[in-house]
Amino acid sequence: SQKIEQNSEALNIQEGKTATLTCNYTNYSPAYLQWYRQDPGRGPVFLLLIRENEKEKRKERLKVTFDTTLKQSLFHITASQPADSATYLCAPHTGGFKTIFGAGTRLFVKA
Amino acid sequence: DVKVTQSSRYLVKRTGEKVFLECVQDMDHENMFWYRQDPGLGLRLIYFSYDVKMKEKGDIPEGYSVSREKKERFSLILESASTNQTSMYLCASSFSNEKLLFGSGTQLSVL
Repeated sequence: SQKIEQNSEALNIQEGKTATLTCNYTNYSPAYLQWYRQDPGRGPVFLLLIRENEKEKRKERLKVTFDTTLKQSLFHITASQPADSATYLCAPHTGGFKTIFGAGTRLFVKA
Repeated sequence: DVKVTQSSRYLVKRTGEKVFLECVQDMDHENMFWYRQDPGLGLRLIYFSYDVKMKEKGDIPEGYSVSREKKERFSLILESASTNQTSMYLCASSFSNEKLLFGSGTQLSVL
């Protein structure tokens, strides 16, 4: 069956460092993959979308890579700040109208 | 400012009650979605709709129904609420399956 895996353990990093979050998927080949940010008690907010023919995409301090051979996406936040602390969800497109999300990785950035 | 509005932020209901969760979007999006989110399980798709009066089951439709009589409004109905339906409910809309825009969520407690 189709599966999306994100690190279930929280990621703790120091302010100013680069945070790297991983999203692995199995048993399908997504045409694109999205990343969302979710703060406690709020709905997810769209951050970036990367397509299968794109290796890398950047937006300000954010960078996403998409390796269709490894079936993996990496999400990087450079020069991280305490305000970046949140849960980050990946959503490889599974086909049709459905958008399915990974369980998310909680990021804590310490000042 | 474009937005998805969920009618209630917090809701407390009793077992067996019929519950209506309302969602309205102001972006003329074709697609609308209902998810529930539980700790450790992530976002799970309940139902979605790609047009007025059209609906499709997601991954966990049991115990729920939906209604989409107007393009901007998508309602989730719990015919007979049960304690295992206590959860955070999130509505989203989009033009395609890209860049879902989420509401703030409704935290439903069924006692």
